[in-house]
Amino acid sequence: DVKVTQSSRYLVKRTGEKVFLECVQDMDHENMFWYRQDPGLGLRLIYFSYDVKMKEKGDIPEGYSVSREKKERFSLILESASTNQTSMYLCASSRNRGIDTQYFGPGTRLTVL
Amino acid sequence: GEDVEQSLFLSVREGDSSVINCTYTDSSSTYLYWYKQEPGAGLQLLTYIFSNMDMKQDQRLTVLLNKKDKHLSLRIADTQTGDSAIYFCAETPLSGYNKLIFGAGTRLAVHP
Repeated sequence: DVKVTQSSRYLVKRTGEKVFLECVQDMDHENMFWYRQDPGLGLRLIYFSYDVKMKEKGDIPEGYSVSREKKERFSLILESASTNQTSMYLCASSRNRGIDTQYFGPGTRLTVL
Repeated sequence: GEDVEQSLFLSVREGDSSVINCTYTDSSSTYLYWYKQEPGAGLQLLTYIFSNMDMKQDQRLTVLLNKKDKHLSLRIADTQTGDSAIYFCAETPLSGYNKLIFGAGTRLAVHP
């Protein structure tokens, strides 16, 4: 079974703090994704990566950056957290660069005060 | 542009069938997916259908695709309380490079 894990289920941070969200997959998948989920909006793609050290902007990259130093790990960074970044963050991975099923982690619910 | 729409809420009685509907705009969609999210959990892939298919059945789940109308539906037969969750429709457009476009999700409530 594919396993995608996220470092925290719940996080509370203060405005202006730097926040790191970590995601690890154990199936040697090439692609990794970060989404945020908000009620009534579904999932929106923040960034994705199709290889180590490669990254592509998704639909809402503003205020975020990512890092992929190793194939299995994809980090989402909020350089200076703001209250409008309070959300559920979901990481996903898929096997290859073609059309393929995405497998999701359990999510991190981030609250920015 | 690419857009996926779903109704936000559906309530059914236990044992009845549930039908969750989805419409999409991108005619180049290759695969269409249904994901399930239980409370406090991530998304779990339920089923998917390739765009050249009309129907796919998997146990209690039936997916119908009307490509002309760009309409996708998920039917759950004999709905149980454990089926209560949010169901997301998603598509992969041909230009999307493994990118998924999600609907807002339909919250299914199953009551006795």
